[in-house]
Amino acid sequence: DQQVKQNSPSLSVQEGRISILNCDYTNSMFDYFLWYKKYPAEGPTFLISISSIKDKNEDGRFTVFLNKSAKHLSLHIVPSQPGDSAVYFCAARYDYKLSFGAGTTVTVRA
Amino acid sequence: GAGVSQTPSNKVTEKGKYVELRCDPISGHTALYWYRQSLGQGPEFLIYFQGTGAADDSGLPNDRFFAVRPEGSVSTLKIQRTERGDSAVYLCASSSVANNEQFFGPGTRLTVL
Repeated sequence: DQQVKQNSPSLSVQEGRISILNCDYTNSMFDYFLWYKKYPAEGPTFLISISSIKDKNEDGRFTVFLNKSAKHLSLHIVPSQPGDSAVYFCAARYDYKLSFGAGTTVTVRA
Repeated sequence: GAGVSQTPSNKVTEKGKYVELRCDPISGHTALYWYRQSLGQGPEFLIYFQGTGAADDSGLPNDRFFAVRPEGSVSTLKIQRTERGDSAVYLCASSSVANNEQFFGPGTRLTVL
């Protein structure tokens, strides 16, 4: 069963504009949410996270928003840069176990 | 090493063969995880080690899959009688303790012909 869903497989955005990635989850027991970034032939690298008791966390160009009632989170990247082109995975944690979405491939156009 | 390493980076095998995939976690990390990423999917949890013991192997798909971590550091994922459906990227991650940030290795791409 897919407990974490990323419904947009791809996103194309112009350099300097905002990228918005969305993620939905079903399990209300998740207590921590994370975004990972992945380049080809590399493992996922941690980008930003948010605890279930918060609704926003910001780190430089990256902001994650959590809407617990809707079981929805989003990642905002602003401004988008060419180096942001990668696959982004949303993940949710219960205890030590991470459940991942299928990923969104972001392409930043010059 | 500075990060999690996995060997081999690529493995091609024939249906029915046995394979071993190795993971070297970050030094001092007590928690180790294996995930499998099939084409077009996100990583899926397979097994979690705390020290030498498998604390949770609920993600292993069947009894052809087995993993060990005999000295609490390096781990080996073993797959018997491989099937074409086993083809995927196998990712290893480690964390200093459970619930802390997981650091991923580059993965082993397994292809079963």
